[in-house]
Amino acid sequence: GAGVSQSPSNKVTEKGKDVELRCDPISGHTALYWYRQSLGQGLEFLIYFQGNSAPDKSGLPSDRFSAERTGGSVSTLTIQRTQQEDSAVYLCASSLLHDSNQPQHFGDGTRLSIL
Amino acid sequence: QQQVKQSPQSLIVQKGGIPIINCAYENTAFDYFPWYQQFPGKGPALLIAIRPDVSEKKEGRFTISFNKSAKQFSLHIMDSQPGDSATYFCAASGGNMLTFGGGTRLMVKP
Repeated sequence: GAGVSQSPSNKVTEKGKDVELRCDPISGHTALYWYRQSLGQGLEFLIYFQGNSAPDKSGLPSDRFSAERTGGSVSTLTIQRTQQEDSAVYLCASSLLHDSNQPQHFGDGTRLSIL
Repeated sequence: QQQVKQSPQSLIVQKGGIPIINCAYENTAFDYFPWYQQFPGKGPALLIAIRPDVSEKKEGRFTISFNKSAKQFSLHIMDSQPGDSATYFCAASGGNMLTFGGGTRLMVKP
């Protein structure tokens, strides 16, 4: 069984450009989460999706960040007009349900570097 | 603000030693406390988790101790091995997203 898949694994872009990061959750998992991990730091929650419910966007750091989840499966995190402080590893996780009874399974992340 | 404080930031032990990593939380609504292990270039992997209705949980060489009144929990790794060298994160959840500690970089020397 495949785990959570993220692409690209690495992304280098110039300041001011837009980037899109992709997450393929584990098949059948209805909950999907995005986290950001800065160098040597813990994980910072960004956004989560649960089924067809409205996403919880409370962790998004600015309006330059947005995410969508199509068909209840694949999710895309978009960062517009990137800044150097956006450099980090962006991690996606999925769980069977959005419930603390269900463990979150993480992908290996996208390492984003803004020049 | 919901926070989970983790210590130490780094830890070096000899093979066979018992590293202990501690976490403290503030939000009494938290009811799920997982620990994740992360190797370089990889995503965090769930190691073991506990709920506040038990004081200890053991899985293999990994043990979580939980002190509800002190709002603290800790991870013990018995008979540590060089392959345990990784970064460990505690986390807490109240039914929503996970709130993570800052991580502990563990090195187990042969």
